[in-house]
Amino acid sequence: TQLLEQSPQFLSIQEGENLTVYCNSSSVFSSLQWYRQEPGEGPVLLVTVVTGGEVKKLKRLTFQFGDARKDSSLHITAAQPGDTGLYLCAGRRSGGSNYKLTFGKGTLLTVNP
Amino acid sequence: GAVVSQHPSWVICKSGTSVKIECRSLDFQATTMFWYRQFPKQSLMLMATSNEGSKATYEQGVEKDKFLINHASLTLSTLTVTSAHPEDSSFYICSARDVGHYVQYFGPGTRLLVL
Repeated sequence: TQLLEQSPQFLSIQEGENLTVYCNSSSVFSSLQWYRQEPGEGPVLLVTVVTGGEVKKLKRLTFQFGDARKDSSLHITAAQPGDTGLYLCAGRRSGGSNYKLTFGKGTLLTVNP
Repeated sequence: GAVVSQHPSWVICKSGTSVKIECRSLDFQATTMFWYRQFPKQSLMLMATSNEGSKATYEQGVEKDKFLINHASLTLSTLTVTSAHPEDSSFYICSARDVGHYVQYFGPGTRLLVL
């Protein structure tokens, strides 16, 4: 059973379209992070959300943390080819030890020009 | 700030040999470092957690005698793949947690190909 369900797994869209990636769980997380990874490189941290209901914006990216801290979403407005990559959500469980992160399976986004 | 480096970035080795991968936190001290393995177009799989000065904690199914981890200082952890086999070929990524924080910063990864 995947602790963090991330959807969709694959997404191919045209430049200028909007998209939303979801990260859901039945567990409560004390924090949740979103990463973007390009082929052959390590994941790069985009944002960390900590408070239930929190909304953070990073240019055209909007991140939400659910009120119950069990789910999160990433919304991209007017996607560009440079947004192409693997998007990963990762959560640190409440009461979890050693600061381990649980990763979703990832969303492979392709933005076509 | 918060830069993590890995060396080498890629390595090709013969089956049966051992390969050491280094992970360094360049501008912060990392009490905890993590080693992940990633297959193409898939997410990261945590292999082990290493704490400075103590034994690593391995995830279920990861052979501790095959994947030796040493975290000798607050800025360096090493992963040694012993007696490598072709099925060990993968992308290995480390991350480091800054002391007093919970965010993990990832290295650029090491591509291992075992022939």
